[in-house]
Amino acid sequence: NAGVTQTPKFQVLKTGQSMTLQCAQDMNHNSMYWYRQDPGMGLRLIYYSASEGTTDKGEVPNGYNVSRLNKREFSLRLESAAPSQTSVYFCASRVLTGGIGYTFGSGTRLTVV
Amino acid sequence: DQQVKQNSPSLSVQEGRISILNCDYTNSMFDYFLWYKKYPAEGPTFLISISSIKDKNEDGRFTVFLNKSAKHLSLHIVPSQPGDSAVYFCAASTIQGAQKLVFGQGTRLTINP
Repeated sequence: NAGVTQTPKFQVLKTGQSMTLQCAQDMNHNSMYWYRQDPGMGLRLIYYSASEGTTDKGEVPNGYNVSRLNKREFSLRLESAAPSQTSVYFCASRVLTGGIGYTFGSGTRLTVV
Repeated sequence: DQQVKQNSPSLSVQEGRISILNCDYTNSMFDYFLWYKKYPAEGPTFLISISSIKDKNEDGRFTVFLNKSAKHLSLHIVPSQPGDSAVYFCAASTIQGAQKLVFGQGTRLTINP
C-alpha cells in the first residue's frame, strides 16, 4: 500500500525553466491538495481538487498550474520557475466523507537557481 | 494574515516529562483541529484531532485540549520519549465544504535523554 507517491524527490531548476511535479494516490481518495513548506511559514495551500474534474486556487497559487488527470493523479506545473519557488512541495489526499485527516506524500525538494 | 499560529518555534523537554505544544487561531469558523508530526525528509503524518463540540481528546500518550472561547488548543505528550523529537504542526479546518487545512508554522520539539 504505497499511499501518496510524489516524483521527483529532488530537483534543481534554472530560473525560467519549467517542470511538472507528479502526485498519485492509490487509496481511492476524492480530494487532493498541493502544499509548499517554507521555513517559518508552515505549510501553505497552493491548489486543491475537491473531486475529479475540479480544481481551485489555494492561498499561494501565483506561478503554478495544476491538472487533475484522473481520480488518482494530481500534477503541479511551474511554467517559468523563479527563485521564490524554492521550497519543499507536498501532495496530499483525503476521502470525501468519514474523516478530515490528510495523507501526505514524502515531498519534493525543489531548488531554483 | 496568519489564521493559525504556533508562537514557539522550538521546545526542548527532558525525557519522561510532559511536553506541551500550543496553537492559537483567529477564524471562528474553524470547527475541526488536527495535529501533525513531521520527521526530516518525510511528509507530515496525522497524530490526533478534535472537533469543536469537544474540549478534550485523548489517544495514548497524546491529549489535545481545545478552548474555544480563547481560540486556543494545546497538545500534551506524557511521558515524552526520544522518538517524539520532530516538528509538530497544528492545523484547522471547517467540516463543511472543501475541508482545506490551514497550518501553523510548526514547533520543533526536542526530547533530551
